[in-house]
Amino acid sequence: DAGITQSPRYKITETGRQVTLMCHQTWSHSYMFWYRQDLGHGLRLIYYSAAADITDKGEVPDGYVVSRSKTENFPLTLESATRSQTSVYFCASSDPDNPPDNEQFFGPGTRLTVL
Amino acid sequence: QKEVEQNSGPLSVPEGAIASLNCTYSDQGSQSFFWYRQYSGKSPELIMFIYSNGDKEDGRFTAQLNKASQYVSLLIRDSQPSDSATYLCAVNAGDYKLSFGAGTTVTVRA
Repeated sequence: DAGITQSPRYKITETGRQVTLMCHQTWSHSYMFWYRQDLGHGLRLIYYSAAADITDKGEVPDGYVVSRSKTENFPLTLESATRSQTSVYFCASSDPDNPPDNEQFFGPGTRLTVL
Repeated sequence: QKEVEQNSGPLSVPEGAIASLNCTYSDQGSQSFFWYRQYSGKSPELIMFIYSNGDKEDGRFTAQLNKASQYVSLLIRDSQPSDSATYLCAVNAGDYKLSFGAGTTVTVRA
């Protein structure tokens, strides 16, 4: 299917485990983003990527690792999950060459629970 | 840290009324402004964007921007139950990033 997909949609893990959240987009958008959404905080940017092999930190990067070897994929890894990382995670993509150039398209989200 | 503040909710309006949502931002250099709608359990979707001072209308939605006051608002006219959602204000934050407000939840009473 075309668009932006995330997997898994739901994940329960335990403290200290490594978890990888997947994000895949079929639009060939150059920019991709990872957010977490918590009650009262809105969307907070974790990491973003301007192109394959180019990534940068956002507002709340601690405890997370990203990579982007291909334009279409942007996985997010929690190296050692903590309870404070329980959240809903959204991946998004954007195409600066098409207006509005800051418009971001969001995936369906992954609800992560860390016990 | 670029900040985006939205008026606290929840906002409850009767069907057919106007819902007014407000957003202020701290970065004077911001150039583009977005309103996203997010239904419960779903992902955000763009409903309006505005770049220039003044009003921009799209159907029942009107975005208003005042850069001097660093203020952007969203009006929803003839509110419908299907407008019940959380509305997120977003402001460009450089390098195609967006800073989001915490959101205002709107409930339209039938």
